[in-house]
Amino acid sequence: SAVISQKPSRDICQRGTSLTIQCQVDSQVTMMFWYRQQPGQSLTLIATANQGSEATYESGFVIDKFPISRPNLTFSTLTVSNMSPEDSSIYLCSVEGPSYEQYFGPGTRLTVT
Amino acid sequence: KNQVEQSPQSLIILEGKNCTLQCNYTVSPFSNLRWYKQDTGRGPVSLTIMTFSENTKSNGRYTATLDADTKQSSLHITASQLSDSASYICVVSSPALNTGTASKLTFGTGTRLQVTL
Repeated sequence: SAVISQKPSRDICQRGTSLTIQCQVDSQVTMMFWYRQQPGQSLTLIATANQGSEATYESGFVIDKFPISRPNLTFSTLTVSNMSPEDSSIYLCSVEGPSYEQYFGPGTRLTVT
Repeated sequence: KNQVEQSPQSLIILEGKNCTLQCNYTVSPFSNLRWYKQDTGRGPVSLTIMTFSENTKSNGRYTATLDADTKQSSLHITASQLSDSASYICVVSSPALNTGTASKLTFGTGTRLQVTL
């Protein structure tokens, strides 16, 4: 199994500012995933981050709003830019194991005021 | 459209009782079906994962079933404990389209279970 940590665990931010969320995995993985979970909703995939290439974004998500870095095989960051209250969500990173099981980080709870 | 529907939306049971959560899906092609437990404020944790050929899988007091013909799955919790209070999410996976790409996951909206004294 993979152990995933995220920083920060939670934050309260003012609208118009940006927040960068860090995701660290205890093993090398090819693909890392970023999800958003809005209040009372299930998870929605934002993008897939491969090391050494541009992230692949899902429909409805754009790089200008959610820039992602993937500098090595154990680390990734997601930035939520120019935040509005609608961005208040839990943001989770995850990785896929060798048997296609998905491991999730503890999440970052973001509140935008 | 690929969808995963779960029922009930929420459930309250007494400690020690059993319960069954349902998951119906229309996802195609199908690779596997997963059940996750998500505690409040935490990331989802995998309970079971079943492929097309498996129709039951257990993990302690959790037993998942899969009927790939009717595209239905259930998660049965035996002798519930207070710590079982959480959201339970059914996730259906489709195979990766190409080598080097990820499998496609379709998430249900979850069943929120509350176990009380």
